[in-house]
Amino acid sequence: EPEVTQTPSHQVTQMGQEVILRCVPISNHLYFYWYRQILGQKVEFLVSFYNNEISEKSEIFDDQFSVERPDGSNFTLKIRSTKLEDSAMYFCASTRGYNEQFFGPGTRLTVL
Amino acid sequence: EDQVTQSPEALRLQEGESSSLNCSYTVSGLRGLFWYRQDPGKGPEFLFTLYSAGEEKEKERLKATLTKKESFLHITAPKPEDSATYLCAVQENSNSGYALNFGKGTSLLVTP
Repeated sequence: EPEVTQTPSHQVTQMGQEVILRCVPISNHLYFYWYRQILGQKVEFLVSFYNNEISEKSEIFDDQFSVERPDGSNFTLKIRSTKLEDSAMYFCASTRGYNEQFFGPGTRLTVL
Repeated sequence: EDQVTQSPEALRLQEGESSSLNCSYTVSGLRGLFWYRQDPGKGPEFLFTLYSAGEEKEKERLKATLTKKESFLHITAPKPEDSATYLCAVQENSNSGYALNFGKGTSLLVTP
């Protein structure tokens, strides 16, 4: 059964460093998402991406964040200058349309 | 103010003891309501989508129902392997990117 994959599973970085989180969505899906979940809190929407552009973003997704689909399979989230409060689980999700979104296993980002 | 409120926050059941989880929502136009299961340290796993009041979906010991203001996830004769956090999420008609707005979840523990 097709699934969303994410790498790395755990990323440790120093405050101020740039990180890139990678995702491979399900192959015939058209919409791609990033969500985050701070420990003990709810899953929060960051950004949605369709047809090679951002279709929606939340207040969390400020200028420090960017997304890219560099080729036909990968979808990346870049954080330019990490802060302590960026420590969280980051989930990628994909869907064919407005129906159910399928989530990856997540990347745990720890900012020291 | 949260648009999606789940109750209870935590629930402990004996194996075989049926119960219901609640998700109440306040959105102007609901496109869909989604239920996910999340195991510790993992990504949300899709369970059900409900689109209109009166709709019901079933899968094994789980049944989801929807009214105009809330949804219930009924768990019949639960087993220890049903222990997880159950997440409810809503998708509004106004979301151009089909973002999901999650509740904080109900943590379910089923004991033998």
